[in-house]
Amino acid sequence: DVQMTQSPSYLAASPGESVSISCKASKSISNNLAWYQEKPGKANKLLIHSGSTLQSGTPSRFSGSGSGTDFTLTIRSLESEDFAVYYCQQYNEYPPTFGAGTKLELK
Amino acid sequence: QVTLKESGPGILQPSHTLSLTCSFSGFSLSTYGMGVSWIRQPSGKGLEWLASIWWNGNTYNNPSLKSRLTVSKDTSNNQAFLKVTSVDTADTATYYCAHTRYNSGEYFDYWGQGVMVTVSS
Repeated sequence: DVQMTQSPSYLAASPGESVSISCKASKSISNNLAWYQEKPGKANKLLIHSGSTLQSGTPSRFSGSGSGTDFTLTIRSLESEDFAVYYCQQYNEYPPTFGAGTKLELK
Repeated sequence: QVTLKESGPGILQPSHTLSLTCSFSGFSLSTYGMGVSWIRQPSGKGLEWLASIWWNGNTYNNPSLKSRLTVSKDTSNNQAFLKVTSVDTADTATYYCAHTRYNSGEYFDYWGQGVMVTVSS
């Protein structure tokens, strides 16, 4: 299976700041990477697919970059609703696998 | 608008079979390219893809669970099902169903809110 390593596991920031989350694959996955947001009491939300393509409805302050094995989710000008857990997921090969998650907390 | 909702027993005993239902709207599992996947998350741990079923009846299971998984669908009633045999405490988790599309790669563009399952004697 392709192992997905996310870092950091925890990240504290303030509204208005910019943050980046890293996701590294154990082998090349081309650009077959998605990012999700998890919030309590809500369904997980697909933010980005194909490494950098914003899903419809995802605010433009979110961006994704990378290909091959190294990927980054960047959130610019954090807003209060962005404090959540973020997961990356590869879908280049079966089985699809997820990173362990990054919890973005309010500083 | 795509929505999905999982339902299940809540609690069951070790060695029993877990049966989960995903009721959905906004798409049909008889339409080309549509799929439903099952994903689980033990408390405090990461997400694990379990299985997928596609519009054409094809299914794919996570090899880590070997032959314990069975996925099926009822197209007329817009439902998908997951059975997990011989459960033990390691199967305690929140189970999600999610919508996926064949042509775009297996990422999950809509999720249910999940159903918590506890395996305990």
